[in-house]
Amino acid sequence: DQQVKQNSPSLSVQEGRISILNCDYTNSMFDYFLWYKKYPAEGPTFLISISSIKDKNEDGRFTVFLNKSAKHLSLHIVPSQPGDSAVYFCGAKNRDDKIIFGKGTRLHILP
Amino acid sequence: DAMVIQNPRYQVTQFGKPVTLSCSQTLNHNVMYWYQQKSSQAPKLLFHYYDKDFNNEADTPDNFQSRRPNTSFCFLDIRSPGLGDAAMYLCATGGRGYTFGSGTRLTVV
Repeated sequence: DQQVKQNSPSLSVQEGRISILNCDYTNSMFDYFLWYKKYPAEGPTFLISISSIKDKNEDGRFTVFLNKSAKHLSLHIVPSQPGDSAVYFCGAKNRDDKIIFGKGTRLHILP
Repeated sequence: DAMVIQNPRYQVTQFGKPVTLSCSQTLNHNVMYWYQQKSSQAPKLLFHYYDKDFNNEADTPDNFQSRRPNTSFCFLDIRSPGLGDAAMYLCATGGRGYTFGSGTRLTVV
């Protein structure tokens, strides 16, 4: 049973538009959420995170929104750029500090 | 730059032949993790170390072992690789956002 779900395997977005990647979780004990970006043949790179006490965290073009009641978080990238084409993994931690990941969403930025 | 380095990047091993993957870090972090990622699946935690304290996930097969001789190095040993063990193996150090290595892609022939 997946505790962290990314239900869209892929997403295509026009360059300059907003990319929205979604993630759902089932474990209410998760208290910290992270997004990672992964290029082919590289390891995942930490992008942005959010604590469960917040509902929004912003870093440049990247914003993460957390809706605890819905057990849902999303990553917004605006404006989308060609270099954003990658696989994005959503991850969640509880107090044991271990990250549980989703399967990832492949984002394609179209010219 | 503080880094996590995995060697080799690509490893081919024969069915049943023991193989060791290595990971080193310059971050001096006390926690290190090993994940297995199969194609189109989520990275799955195999085990982690808190200093020398080894913590195995309940569903990690006995075929997978690990050693951490010092803070900087951590090894993943697969005693008898099967075809189902072909995957990307990712090492990471702890912290709020893990730092991952580039991974080792293991092929079993």
